[in-house]
Amino acid sequence: GENVEQHPSTLSVQEGDSAVIKCTYSDSASNYFPWYKQELGKRPQLIIDIRSNVGEKKDQRIAVTLNKTAKHFSLHITETQPEDSAVYFCAASTGANNLFFGTGTRLTVIP
Amino acid sequence: DAMVIQNPRYQVTQFGKPVTLSCSQTLNHNVMYWYQQKSSQAPKLLFHYYDKDFNNEADTPDNFQSRRPNTSFCFLDIRSPGLGDAAMYLCATSRSSQGYEQYFGPGTRLTVT
Repeated sequence: GENVEQHPSTLSVQEGDSAVIKCTYSDSASNYFPWYKQELGKRPQLIIDIRSNVGEKKDQRIAVTLNKTAKHFSLHITETQPEDSAVYFCAASTGANNLFFGTGTRLTVIP
Repeated sequence: DAMVIQNPRYQVTQFGKPVTLSCSQTLNHNVMYWYQQKSSQAPKLLFHYYDKDFNNEADTPDNFQSRRPNTSFCFLDIRSPGLGDAAMYLCATSRSSQGYEQYFGPGTRLTVT
């Protein structure tokens, strides 16, 4: 089955700096890669996703890049704010109603 | 305008006492999922329904069962909860397969005493 690895497990940045979280996946059939943000005690919420026919996608301060050849994808958050502090999960899916999550990154933005 | 609703939000049960968690959705999505999330870990898929078709993950213990009586509702039954089953249980829905967003409910935190 699919195996998704995520790094780093914790990340602290100063407010205004950028944060980068990286994930790798094992199944070349995976074609959908969402990123979820989970604040303490709350539900995971989709913040951005990318499909395998696209190399990069941006939404305001958030961007995701995908390298299908290397089987890795990354989340980039620019101009970080304290409210960006949360746990971020990457995930990969081959379709077929599956979603395999990475182990999560706890991001702390220091004011 | 809650889209995926889970009840109760907090559930305490005794070791070995059956418990049922409930999920309902107003999105009319045909796929519903149950995940188990333990502290500081990623959500782990237990099973999902594609319409009425039940799909169990290979490593989901037999202790966990599910029912989906109609499109809107899905239940998670834990027949004999053990201490290791204490976790957050997340319900999610999606419109279909092939890379559609999964919408998560707020979760039910299960405590086993």
